[in-house]
Order: sequence, then structure tokens, then C-alpha cells
Amino acid sequence: KQEVTQIPAALSVPEGENLVLNCSFTDSAIYNLQWFRQDPGKGLTSLLLIQSSQREQTSGRLNASLDKSSGRSTLYIAASQPGDSATYLCAVSPNTGGFKTIFGAGTRLFVKA
Amino acid sequence: DAGVIQSPRHEVTEMGQEVTLRCKPISGHDYLFWYRQTMMRGLELLIYFNNNVPIDDSGMPEDRFSAKMPNASFSTLKIQPSEPRDSAVYFCASSSFRGTRQPQHFGDGTRLSIL
Repeated sequence: KQEVTQIPAALSVPEGENLVLNCSFTDSAIYNLQWFRQDPGKGLTSLLLIQSSQREQTSGRLNASLDKSSGRSTLYIAASQPGDSATYLCAVSPNTGGFKTIFGAGTRLFVKA
Repeated sequence: DAGVIQSPRHEVTEMGQEVTLRCKPISGHDYLFWYRQTMMRGLELLIYFNNNVPIDDSGMPEDRFSAKMPNASFSTLKIQPSEPRDSAVYFCASSSFRGTRQPQHFGDGTRLSIL
């Protein structure tokens, strides 16, 4: 059974700092991996999607990497801003089982001004 | 371009009552998902549809839960009878397949409280 773990559970950093959020998964037979952002009282917003054949994806100050064989992904946020404060969730979609998606518990990020 | 629209945003009702949550997916998306989010269990997939047909309902917790998608622009999640442990935020999401699975787009959720 696929399990997704995110470390740390919470993180507080000063503005301008570069930071890394970690995600690990137990079954490497994945179709893709997604990073989402969730603001309080809101739904999830997809940030980056990495196909199983890819090693990384970049969007602005965000860079996500995928090491499928070791079951790990990282989300790198450069030059963090207070507006980056949110919960970040990692989710994997298995190779089999259609569109089923398994989410991690998330990392709650607070960027101090 | 309108996103996924869910209603109501908040619902408070008494145990034993029927609850109906509604979702309008993004036009052109042929996959629709229902999730439940709680502090204890995180975000769980309940059921998903492809072209209005339920594909996987293995996450539906009990027979008290049912979901329908009568057409491409509307879906409901019904709980009957409701229980306090059903209190959670319920999200609807939609997506598509364009050679590869595309990102899921989420609605803002329905916060359900069962007293």
C-alpha cells in the first residue's frame, strides 16, 4: 500500500531564505508526483507536476525534483516571501489504479517578514 | 475561466439528517474526484468518475455515502443518515487526460459540521 510522508510537519523561516521541503513514498511504481499549495480555508492549488520519466520541474522560484528509485521528492523554494506561507502537500499517482492519488499530510510553512 | 465550484461552502446540520454536497467541474474536464480532509486522516480520495461513470469508489467509507454524476457539469455527494464523525471538509476536483494525466483543479470545499 502506497504511503506518502512529508518532513518536516511545520517550518518557520525568515523572509529571503531558501528552503527545501521533503516528500517520500513507499512504492516507486508511480505515474506522476504533484506538489500542491493549500491556503487556510481554501482548496489545493497545483504547483508542479513531475511525470515518472522526469527528474525535475521548475516554475518561477519553485523547483521540484524526483528520485523515483529512492522514493523521494523535494520542493525547493528560493528567496522565500511571506506570501509563500501556506501548507504544501505532496501527492503521488500510482502506475496502476487509474487516477487514484495519495496525499501526504503536508508541511505547514510560515515565512516571517 | 471558472474553476471548480462547490456548494454550499458551509453546512451545519443535526445527526441523522441527509446532507447533499454539490460540485460543478471545469468545463471540458472528464475526470471528477471527491475528497475528504480531516486533521486525523488528512486528504482522502472517496470516489472518482471518468466521463460521468464511477471508476473507483473504494474510498467511500460506508453505504451511508453515495455519489452521482448525472451529466458532465454536475456531481453530488450525499450522506444519509449523517453522523458527527462525518464532520470534515469535502473537496471536489476535476482533471483531464491529454496524452498524460493533467493536474487536478480543486474547489474551495464544503465545511461540513454534524451536531
